[in-house]
Amino acid sequence: EVQLVGSGGGLVQPGGSLRLSCATSGFTFSSYGMSWVRQAPGKGLEWVSAISASGGSTDYADSVKGRFTISRDNSKNTLYLQMNNLRAEDTAVYFCAKDSVAWPPNFFDYWGQGTLVTVSS
Amino acid sequence: SSELTQGPAVSVALGQTVRITCQGDSLRSYYASWFQQRPGQAPILVIYGKNNRPSGIPDRFSGSTSGNTASLTITGAQAEDEADYYCNSRDSNTNHVLFGGGTRLTVL
Repeated sequence: EVQLVGSGGGLVQPGGSLRLSCATSGFTFSSYGMSWVRQAPGKGLEWVSAISASGGSTDYADSVKGRFTISRDNSKNTLYLQMNNLRAEDTAVYFCAKDSVAWPPNFFDYWGQGTLVTVSS
Repeated sequence: SSELTQGPAVSVALGQTVRITCQGDSLRSYYASWFQQRPGQAPILVIYGKNNRPSGIPDRFSGSTSGNTASLTITGAQAEDEADYYCNSRDSNTNHVLFGGGTRLTVL
């Protein structure tokens, strides 16, 4: 059974940093691209970042480029999102999602349960 | 344009057929995938590719594309289909992932 378990969310002040993790199991992690997708309260889905199966290719939405860094540890089957210089508009539930291919992003066949990030003073 | 446009809401009588549409230039190059999201839950993939359903998705869900418009059709809508539905594709210029704004389906 494929499982994606996100963690690391919480309350952080504007300008602060947070690191999200997504622990996976039930599939060959190193064979598939992964993404982070967020959803602000009461709003729609917004793609944030993607990483290839090997970790050699990454991509970011313009809204987070230069502030967020996606990475993965294929030995630990875990995906990460380092978020720096956080803003109020980054407040959202962050979902990790498994892609159907290695790269480039195709479609997301499994999603984690989401972890809430709140940016507020 | 690098956007996917969906209508905000649609309703359907129990057992009837409903179509949810998604428009965008990227759909001329890439198929849309469709996700169902119930309140407080993670999205679930319901349609991908030309018209494929993941294991466990009922066959009342189907997908199609014509020009720059992708459609999700639910034939014989059930109460449990009441949810938000999102289309998804890729920007043909930047390869960035795109999501539509979502359509709220109400089953009457």
